Amino acid sequence: SQKIEQNSEALNIQEGKTATLTCNYTNYSPAYLQWYRQDPGRGPVFLLLIRENEKEKRKERLKVTFDTTLKQSLFHITASQPADSATYLCALGVDTGRRALTFGSGTRLQVQP
Amino acid sequence: NAGVTQTPKFQVLKTGQSMTLQCAQDMNHEYMSWYRQDPGMGLRLIHYSVGAGITDQGEVPNGYNVSRSTTEDFPLRLLSAAPSQTSVYFCASSYSFALSDEQFFGPGTRLTVL
Repeated sequence: SQKIEQNSEALNIQEGKTATLTCNYTNYSPAYLQWYRQDPGRGPVFLLLIRENEKEKRKERLKVTFDTTLKQSLFHITASQPADSATYLCALGVDTGRRALTFGSGTRLQVQP
Repeated sequence: NAGVTQTPKFQVLKTGQSMTLQCAQDMNHEYMSWYRQDPGMGLRLIHYSVGAGITDQGEVPNGYNVSRSTTEDFPLRLLSAAPSQTSVYFCASSYSFALSDEQFFGPGTRLTVL
């Protein structure tokens, strides 16, 4: 069956360290993968898009990798800050005829000062 | 631009009642969608629309209806509310239906069905 797995346990790190979040998927062949940030009580906000033919994408302190062989994306936040504390969702763009993203359940990141 | 707006923010219904969740966007986006978010289950697609007059079912469409008579509005109707429909509902829009387009989400409606 098709699955998207993000670590359901919260990730706790110290301020200034690099946070690494994982998105694994099975039985999908996504052409695109997106990452979103969601704060409590609010809707998700788009962060980054990576295409299947791209290995890595960067935006300021954010870096995303996409390994279609391992069926995995890693999301890194360098020099993390308490303001980075939020839930991070990955979403797969798979052309199944249904024009919609498929979301993982998200990983909560807590950055301790 | 207000972006994507949703009303109401909170709603409590009794089993069997019907209601409409409103969603509007002012970005002239072609694509709009409705998701529900439940703890541990992520966002699940209910219905989506690739343009005015065109709608299609998502992953969990049962118990919900939609219509898209204008580009701006995409209301979600609960026909006969059930406790299983207690959830947070998000409306989203994007410029087109390309899977690479970023989705813009509304602030959500928290619905409780008693």
